[in-house]
Amino acid sequence: QQQVKQSPQSLIVQKGGIPIINCAYENTAFDYFPWYQQFPGKGPALLIAIRPDVSEKKEGRFTISFNKSAKQFSLHIMDSQPGDSATYFCAAIPSSNTGKLIFGQGTTLQVKP
Amino acid sequence: NAGVTQTPKFQVLKTGQSMTLQCAQDMNHEYMSWYRQDPGMGLRLIHYSVGAGITDQGEVPNGYNVSRSTTEDFPLRLLSAAPSQTSVYFCASSYSTVTYEQYFGPGTRLTVT
Repeated sequence: QQQVKQSPQSLIVQKGGIPIINCAYENTAFDYFPWYQQFPGKGPALLIAIRPDVSEKKEGRFTISFNKSAKQFSLHIMDSQPGDSATYFCAAIPSSNTGKLIFGQGTTLQVKP
Repeated sequence: NAGVTQTPKFQVLKTGQSMTLQCAQDMNHEYMSWYRQDPGMGLRLIHYSVGAGITDQGEVPNGYNVSRSTTEDFPLRLLSAAPSQTSVYFCASSYSTVTYEQYFGPGTRLTVT
């Protein structure tokens, strides 16, 4: 029943690199596409979110790109730092306003110094 | 504000035992939910509640019960623990069903032997 598919499962980059995490969804009736960041031993926390009528959103070093026709969206981390090492989850909010979040499988990012 | 709190942090159960995972929030949020996190599976919704006295099933509800007698508390009950319920459990809350930002607790790591 997974409606949001995320790749890659893990990613290693050098400091300053630009890791890219990709997600694809199967259902067109989503209102928002948030990304959550999770550090080891902690709960996930909201990082950035985008609406489906916007093609790109930037917040600091984090950028979401959204391709509605391809049903794909991705997270880019500019000038990545060792402190960005975490697990990243993409998610989708169905339009039914139930409050449900549908998560992707997660990507574990390691940024080497 | 303490935010979302969960107890216990760690728990080991034997197959067939029952227990309750506690979750509380002090933000007066209407929406609360329980997720389980398993490697490669992301976060999967177990049960959720849109307000006191109202609960509904998520993606993986079997073997779990919930109730919501107050706005603040949303306990998750394992009726008869099975090894397949070994997981990390997260409670989350948000002020309404139309927001994409959910606040997660620190998690409970459960092992069933």
